[in-house]
Amino acid sequence: SQQGEEDPQALSIQEGENATMNCSYKTSINNLQWYRQNSGRGLVHLILIRSNEREKHSGRLRVTLDTSKKSSSLLITASRAADTASYFCVPSGAGGFKTIFGAGTRLFVKA
Amino acid sequence: GAGVSQSPSNKVTEKGKDVELRCDPISGHTALYWYRQSLGQGLEFLIYFQGNSAPDKSGLPSDRFSAERTGGSVSTLTIQRTQQEDSAVYLCASSLVSGPSGANVLTFGAGSRLTVL
Repeated sequence: SQQGEEDPQALSIQEGENATMNCSYKTSINNLQWYRQNSGRGLVHLILIRSNEREKHSGRLRVTLDTSKKSSSLLITASRAADTASYFCVPSGAGGFKTIFGAGTRLFVKA
Repeated sequence: GAGVSQSPSNKVTEKGKDVELRCDPISGHTALYWYRQSLGQGLEFLIYFQGNSAPDKSGLPSDRFSAERTGGSVSTLTIQRTQQEDSAVYLCASSLVSGPSGANVLTFGAGSRLTVL
């Protein structure tokens, strides 16, 4: 198992702007997931990208993956106040399914 | 069930008392996870069950913490002789493990908020 390292730790933007969060990891992966957590309760799975994919879209979300740099990014376009949350990346490799979360990126979208 | 269910949603206890937190995973999910999240902090891994394998207890902070999973379904996290530093939200998640290179998407419950006075 390994955990991702999210960057920046915190991000504050105006409603309507785009938000970009980055994730780095250390060893090879099969896939990478992004999760969101609102209000300190349960996390919600947002999107999964496989190691043979370079980009994936889901609504206003765009995820990229660069396995050569061992990094991923999550772009939220046209942000809304409801996007205010913590965002976590979870890289998954061949080392089993123990799932560890990093510190996340705290996104604050100002109305 | 439709989602992961945790109970109680809130628990206030006195220092030194034992508490039990329950997690009902999604039916058919083979993996179950417990995490702890203190105020303003990230998720701290506690324990992980996968099928009939021995659980990975590497995250349990002390021998006051234990967990079991009955019949591969419901799980109970027990904290004995609670301390004030045990105050946190305890999150449970389950997943359907789909093979060594497959996706492992976790579905979380809403959490149990524990306050130790």
